[in-house]
Amino acid sequence: GENVEQHPSTLSVQEGDSAVIKCTYSDSASNYFPWYKQELGKRPQLIIDIRSNVGEKKDQRIAVTLNKTAKHFSLHITETQPEDSAVYFCAALSGGSYIPTFGRGTSLIVHP
Amino acid sequence: DVKVTQSSRYLVKRTGEKVFLECVQDMDHENMFWYRQDPGLGLRLIYFSYDVKMKEKGDIPEGYSVSREKKERFSLILESASTNQTSMYLCASRVGGPDTQYFGPGTRLTVL
Repeated sequence: GENVEQHPSTLSVQEGDSAVIKCTYSDSASNYFPWYKQELGKRPQLIIDIRSNVGEKKDQRIAVTLNKTAKHFSLHITETQPEDSAVYFCAALSGGSYIPTFGRGTSLIVHP
Repeated sequence: DVKVTQSSRYLVKRTGEKVFLECVQDMDHENMFWYRQDPGLGLRLIYFSYDVKMKEKGDIPEGYSVSREKKERFSLILESASTNQTSMYLCASRVGGPDTQYFGPGTRLTVL
């Protein structure tokens, strides 16, 4: 089955810096890669996703890049703000029933 | 706006008790999921239902069962609760296929 590795497990940055979280996946048939943000005590919510026919997608300060050859995808957050502090999860989905496989999460801390 | 609700935010049960966790979604979604969330382990899939009365085992189904008699409701059952089932349980739903999952608020279960 699919295996998703996520790094780093913890990331601490100063407000205004950029943050990058990386995920690798094992199943070359995976074709949908969402990112979820979970604030403390709240439910995970989708912040951005990318499909395998696209190499990059941006939404304001957030971007995701996908390298199908190397089987990795990354979340980029620019100009970080304290409200970006949360746990971020990546996931990969492949054909059939499209069951998501999640990474273990990255705790992002943005210091004011 | 999609709404996924769970029957309890906090639950305390005793070892050996039968426990029911319920999840309801109001968007006519076909797929529903039950996850367990533990620190450092991310989101682990317990069971998945792709339609009414249909279910598939996830990564950690042992000690759990599920029921989906109606499209909007997906129940997780702990047949005989044990202390190692103390965890946060998250339900999710989606339309079907590779698309956004919408999560419930979670149930924090403590088994004494």
